[in-house]
Amino acid sequence: SQQGEEDPQALSIQEGENATMNCSYKTSINNLQWYRQNSGRGLVHLILIRSNEREKHSGRLRVTLDTSKKSSSLLITASRAADTASYFCAGGSNYKLTFGKGTLLTVNP
Amino acid sequence: DAGVIQSPRHEVTEMGQEVTLRCKPISGHDYLFWYRQTMMRGLELLIYFNNNVPIDDSGMPEDRFSAKMPNASFSTLKIQPSEPRDSAVYFCASGGGDEQFFGPGTRLTVL
Repeated sequence: SQQGEEDPQALSIQEGENATMNCSYKTSINNLQWYRQNSGRGLVHLILIRSNEREKHSGRLRVTLDTSKKSSSLLITASRAADTASYFCAGGSNYKLTFGKGTLLTVNP
Repeated sequence: DAGVIQSPRHEVTEMGQEVTLRCKPISGHDYLFWYRQTMMRGLELLIYFNNNVPIDDSGMPEDRFSAKMPNASFSTLKIQPSEPRDSAVYFCASGGGDEQFFGPGTRLTVL
């Protein structure tokens, strides 16, 4: 079963713009993680936010978590063509992750 | 470290054949996960191990699927007999904490 549901399913922006992706989840979690997948590759961990945190930053990434709404958002600032990929959120509990279906981000040069 | 290693990278087989996928986790990681990714169902957790012991296999689709981890540096996922609906990309991931490190995947096509 899917834990996270990302929104939108696809997003196309111009280089330099910001990209925001949202995620909703269903059950209780210890943490919420975001991963990136380039076409034909494995997933790469981007950032983790714990259930007692509300916001976290890492470079051009900003993640928020609202446990009352069971939702999270990932903001990528000043996007680059190299950011083109699929982005997945995953709810973590006891080392087990349940992934959503992802948002396909296309950054046009 | 070379990261998580999976083999083969591509496998094409005929319905009814046995398929074995292999994974070498990152040294020192005590968790190993097998996932399946399809367009229709997304990324699904099949089974995961902790210190070589299967902890949760509730995602294994049916008895045709089996997984083993005979030691800390090797795991296999076996499908016997294979069916066309098993066609997917199978990922192995390992971790020592909350973050997981994924291998490049095995693209399986069952004709």
